[in-house]
Amino acid sequence: EAQVTQNPRYLITVTGKKLTVTCSQNMNHEYMSWYRQDPGLGLRQIYYSMNVEVTDKGDVPEGYKVSRKEKRNFPLILESPSPNQTSLYFCASSLSGGQGARSPLHFGNGTRLTVT
Amino acid sequence: SQQGEEDPQALSIQEGENATMNCSYKTSINNLQWYRQNSGRGLVHLILIRSNEREKHSGRLRVTLDTSKKSSSLLITASRAADTASYFCATGSQAGTALIFGKGTTLSVSS
Repeated sequence: EAQVTQNPRYLITVTGKKLTVTCSQNMNHEYMSWYRQDPGLGLRQIYYSMNVEVTDKGDVPEGYKVSRKEKRNFPLILESPSPNQTSLYFCASSLSGGQGARSPLHFGNGTRLTVT
Repeated sequence: SQQGEEDPQALSIQEGENATMNCSYKTSINNLQWYRQNSGRGLVHLILIRSNEREKHSGRLRVTLDTSKKSSSLLITASRAADTASYFCATGSQAGTALIFGKGTTLSVSS
């Protein structure tokens, strides 16, 4: 089944403790992206990757890191999480990125992160 | 950078009625997409309409696009309780590479 898989589904951690949220897609998609969703703010893009070894900042990249060493994986790293990073996170992928964002996004089921 | 704004923010209807949601945006677009999100789950792509298209259908969904008014509407006909969800429009601008999402319309369909 074609899908985007995120893990974990729920995560509770403490301030400053490094964590990684994994994301994997099995559709051979070139484009992958991370979003966070907060009440009243909608979905905001954190980072995106047009292809292997190519990543770029979205609208809210501060406090996050990503890597794209393989086409299928795009982990999100919080080196020193803070309470303002408490949010619902989504990984998404599409066949291609590029000008105009022409391809539909396929979303994972989300990771609900709480930082205390 | 919020591009699309959905209206209304919330909509409550009875089963069998039609639901209409609107989306307005600010800059020139390449395409506009609609997504559905069931409570706390991942977004699901519904339909994509290109800037040179005016109307598109998919099952009970009808999407229109008016680039002169920078607006789009999503019509769900004969709504069902299972249509209860949040609906988001997302725009792909001609200049950018990212899909920019609006804040969504929450639709509640009661039986």
